[in-house]
Amino acid sequence: EVQLLESGGGLVQPGGSLRLSCAASEFAFSTYAMSWVRQAPGKGLECVSTISGSGDSTYYADSVKGRFTISRDNSKNTLYVQMNILRAEDTAVYYCAKHGRAGSFDYWGQGTLVTVSS
Amino acid sequence: EIVLTQSPGTLSLSPGERATLSCRASQSVTSSYLAWYQQKPGQAPRLLIYGASSRATDIPDRFSGSGSGTDFTLTISRLEPEDFAVYYCQQYGNSRRTFGQGTKVEIK
Repeated sequence: EVQLLESGGGLVQPGGSLRLSCAASEFAFSTYAMSWVRQAPGKGLECVSTISGSGDSTYYADSVKGRFTISRDNSKNTLYVQMNILRAEDTAVYYCAKHGRAGSFDYWGQGTLVTVSS
Repeated sequence: EIVLTQSPGTLSLSPGERATLSCRASQSVTSSYLAWYQQKPGQAPRLLIYGASSRATDIPDRFSGSGSGTDFTLTISRLEPEDFAVYYCQQYGNSRRTFGQGTKVEIK
């Protein structure tokens, strides 16, 4: 069974930084693109960043471009996102998601909560 | 960016009834790269439908998807108690993967 386990969330002050990790298991990690999707409290879903299987292609939503950096270590089966200059509006549950055939998100982690507040 | 508009915002139905959820795109969705997800409170979303009409693994056949171009529909033929949740559509035809705002299916 595919497993995705996020970690690294927590409380951070505005302007601060945080790095989230997503440990993947039970599938050929390097073969699949991965994404980070966030959900603000009581709100809908937003795909904030995507990375190809090899790591050589990335995408960022305008809302995080220049502040977030997605990366992966295929030797460790782990996905990361480095989040800098955090704002209150970045407060959300962050999910990592595995891309299925053609790019829908066929598996999701349980999510990790990031709270940006002073 | 493709904007997805879901309707209705809330659907109040009884178990056993049929649910019809709509997702309209601001421009044509490439190759019907349209997915539907179910989300229950406190849980991650779960993929139901991909490619507009293909059921994901282990999804019951009471869930079906249809549509193409800019108009898509998720149908739940007979609502079971566990189907009351929020449903999101998503287009993944380009790198800017966008979601609709969600439709809540609640017990009447």
